[in-house]
Amino acid sequence: AAGVIQSPRHLIKEKRETATLKCYPIPRHDTVYWYQQGPGQDPQFLISFYEKMQSDKGSIPDRFSAQQFSDYHSELNMSSLELGDSALYFCASSGRRGQKAYEQYFGPGTRLTVT
Amino acid sequence: AQTVTQSQPEMSVQEAETVTLSCTYDTSENNYYLFWYKQPPSRQMILVIRQEAYKQQNATENRFSVNFQKAAKSFSLKISDSQLGDTAMYFCAFYAGNMLTFGGGTRLMVKP
Repeated sequence: AAGVIQSPRHLIKEKRETATLKCYPIPRHDTVYWYQQGPGQDPQFLISFYEKMQSDKGSIPDRFSAQQFSDYHSELNMSSLELGDSALYFCASSGRRGQKAYEQYFGPGTRLTVT
Repeated sequence: AQTVTQSQPEMSVQEAETVTLSCTYDTSENNYYLFWYKQPPSRQMILVIRQEAYKQQNATENRFSVNFQKAAKSFSLKISDSQLGDTAMYFCAFYAGNMLTFGGGTRLMVKP
């Protein structure tokens, strides 16, 4: 079965640079979530989208923005990168809200290293 | 806001034995879902088992089962016949609204 696809899998950036992470949800999933997992930490919710509209917002820095496109893929844009942004970034997707929307399936993650 | 607490940072078990991982949560919600996710060294987040709060029956998935005590807000995971491949970080997670809240994780080591 098709899973959530994230690209790139690894990314190395320098401080103050910009990064864009992409997420392709499972086909027919319309909700996308972004999570950040720092070293030795649990995943923290950043932001979610449902039907191309922002749905919920967590602990996402103002330097980050995200959107969901007409084909339901999502991009997380990160600017003015800081060393503390080094983390594993997960994207997850789920089906139609109210119908097993609670079942989130995670992608393999993008490991971002800021030097 | 919801909080999820896993009080065991690390645990170990001998292969083929049984181990129980603890999780407690705090919420004012009445409708919610609880999950256990496994994160092996590959860092992939793998859904192990889910429990709907409105269901009294404990969920089971092969060697994995939960003990859900709603009044006590407790949600423990039992792994039977532990296998070397069960070695991983295990996260308890709470879902309500539209987001998952994770506990701090329990690192499980299965020893041969």
